[in-house]
Amino acid sequence: QKEVEQNSGPLSVPEGAIASLNCTYSDRGSQSFFWYRQYSGKSPELIMSIYSNGDKEDGRFTAQLNKASQYVSLLIRDSQPSDSATYLCAVYSSASKIIFGSGTRLSIRP
Amino acid sequence: EAGVAQSPRYKIIEKRQSVAFWCNPISGHATLYWYQQILGQGPKLLIQFQNNGVVDDSQLPKDRFSAERLKGVDSTLKIQPAKLEDSAVYLCASSLGHELQETQYFGPGTRLLVL
Repeated sequence: QKEVEQNSGPLSVPEGAIASLNCTYSDRGSQSFFWYRQYSGKSPELIMSIYSNGDKEDGRFTAQLNKASQYVSLLIRDSQPSDSATYLCAVYSSASKIIFGSGTRLSIRP
Repeated sequence: EAGVAQSPRYKIIEKRQSVAFWCNPISGHATLYWYQQILGQGPKLLIQFQNNGVVDDSQLPKDRFSAERLKGVDSTLKIQPAKLEDSAVYLCASSLGHELQETQYFGPGTRLLVL
């Protein structure tokens, strides 16, 4: 079992719809969770961080964390073509190591 | 505020050659990270420095990779000798501190192709 798992995609979503990206992790003691966006040929940039159960909203982005289910998700409302990218889930494990998933490719179709 | 700088941006070498990458973090950032990102995968942490001390190098292939951060600012990552499987993007990132909530800022990366 991978430590941080994401569906590789591609996930295709029509413009204006909600994109839902999911991530599961194996270390139950993980403490901090991050979503990064990475455009093709570019470096990752942080979109959201979440540390406690529940939802955290920032503009069109909502991160959701469920520690009991070891699950973190990212919702993108009103998806735009500029949201087309690879989204990386990153987890700080109980051993204080940051582990990235392989990413989900998101494509927003006009 | 200037971002994380890396050089070179691209490098092509033959296997068994050596190569070095340079990183200059954001001014005042104490923590510096080197990641390896193979095509289609997420970044994998190679080494983490706190000032000029190593915090974590558990995933650094020490038989061929080495890194240093003299004076707690710039850092270099070296591969000697390179293998075909070292072809990847090498990302440098920095953060203000080392707390779990600290945001990491990534540089543009160095694309390495080993032939």
